[in-house]
Amino acid sequence: QVQLQESGPGLVKPSQTLSLTCTVSGGSINSGDYYWSCIRQPVGKGLEWIGHIYTSGSTNYNPSLKGRVTISVDSSKNQFSLKLNSVTAADTAVYYCARGYYGSGTTWYFDLWGRGTLVTVSS
Amino acid sequence: QSALTQPASVSGSPGQSITISCTGTSSDVGAYNYVSWYQQYPGKAPKLMIYDVNKRPSGVSNRFSGSKSGNTASLTISGLQAEDEADYYCSSYTRSSTVFGGGTMLTVL
Repeated sequence: QVQLQESGPGLVKPSQTLSLTCTVSGGSINSGDYYWSCIRQPVGKGLEWIGHIYTSGSTNYNPSLKGRVTISVDSSKNQFSLKLNSVTAADTAVYYCARGYYGSGTTWYFDLWGRGTLVTVSS
Repeated sequence: QSALTQPASVSGSPGQSITISCTGTSSDVGAYNYVSWYQQYPGKAPKLMIYDVNKRPSGVSNRFSGSKSGNTASLTISGLQAEDEADYYCSSYTRSSTVFGGGTMLTVL
């Protein structure tokens, strides 16, 4: 079955760029009416949607992240990636990759999640 | 976009029913029937429990049900079981993006 796996540095210094790669296994990132998302959760707090990308390359981002976010897709590697610039301690969180299903505009939900990876911002 | 509003905690005894509310606005919950609910155990990834307000994915117990009225969606769990103790998050589509609720901790007494 399709699985998602996050990978990336667990520690990032303040003001630097957080990079996260999400690898899709067991299926093609191009198949079906899916969008690919990044979601984070500060320890002990709630979920925050960061953004998503369609395999066409079209993206949408959370306005609260003020232009610091870029999500890209590499279909040849069956991966999508997150870059978050100018990080601070407030960006410390568990970062999840998730698959969303939009059913040609008839629905909207996350049906598959990665296990998540803790990224700590500290010097 | 502001987070959807959920109660911080709810509790119930085994066998009882509980309801978790999720209040948004006319731009998210009220505008679309794309409300979903997720169950999360400590240290684990969220799991989809309800989508499109009241639809259950295959494998999810029929003790879980969803509804919506105006800008407020609700998740009801009937016949409460110890294994239902977890955090629950609502989510809604809004203008090409997604917004989550703050989460509700369910305690089974």
